[in-house]
Amino acid sequence: SQKIEQNSEALNIQEGKTATLTCNYTNYSPAYLQWYRQDPGRGPVFLLLIRENEKEKRKERLKVTFDTTLKQSLFHITASQPADSATYLCALDLDTGRRALTFGSGTRLQVQP
Amino acid sequence: NAGVMQNPRHLVRRRGQEARLRCSPMKGHSHVYWYRQLPEEGLKFMVYLQKENIIDESGMPKERFSAEFPKEGPSILRIQQVVRGDSAAYFCASSPRDRGIDYGYTFGSGTRLTVV
Repeated sequence: SQKIEQNSEALNIQEGKTATLTCNYTNYSPAYLQWYRQDPGRGPVFLLLIRENEKEKRKERLKVTFDTTLKQSLFHITASQPADSATYLCALDLDTGRRALTFGSGTRLQVQP
Repeated sequence: NAGVMQNPRHLVRRRGQEARLRCSPMKGHSHVYWYRQLPEEGLKFMVYLQKENIIDESGMPKERFSAEFPKEGPSILRIQQVVRGDSAAYFCASSPRDRGIDYGYTFGSGTRLTVV
């Protein structure tokens, strides 16, 4: 079956370090992939979209890579800050029969001061 | 534009009652999506609507759940005869394009339904 996998264990890093989160998917070749941030008690916030023909995309301290051969996206936050602590979700147009994004379960990032 | 507006923020219902959740999309967005999030779980797709049309309801339970997006007014997610398992956060998202292509989804703050 088609699915999206994100590391369910929380990622704890020190302030100033680079955080790297992983999103793996199976059995499909999406045209694009999106990353969202979700804070407790709030709705997800769209961060970045990367297309299948783009290897890398950047926005300020954020960088996303998309390897369609490995079926994997990496999400990097450089010079991390405590304010970056949140859950990060990846989302794909995973199922050709479903006209909506499918979300991973997210990885919680905790940046220690 | 204040973004996607959902109300109420919190809703408590007794088992067997009806729950009605409202969502007003961002101005200019014609695509509305409803997702459900259980504690410590990911977002699960429920239904995708455009004005006066249900486009994809493949994630909606077959019984007790319904959704609409009328020509005028907000989108409504209706849950009849609620049960404890319906307790969750329900998020609405809107987008100017199908499947959030190019622009992503804009989410509301959600409605937290508690069934007692």
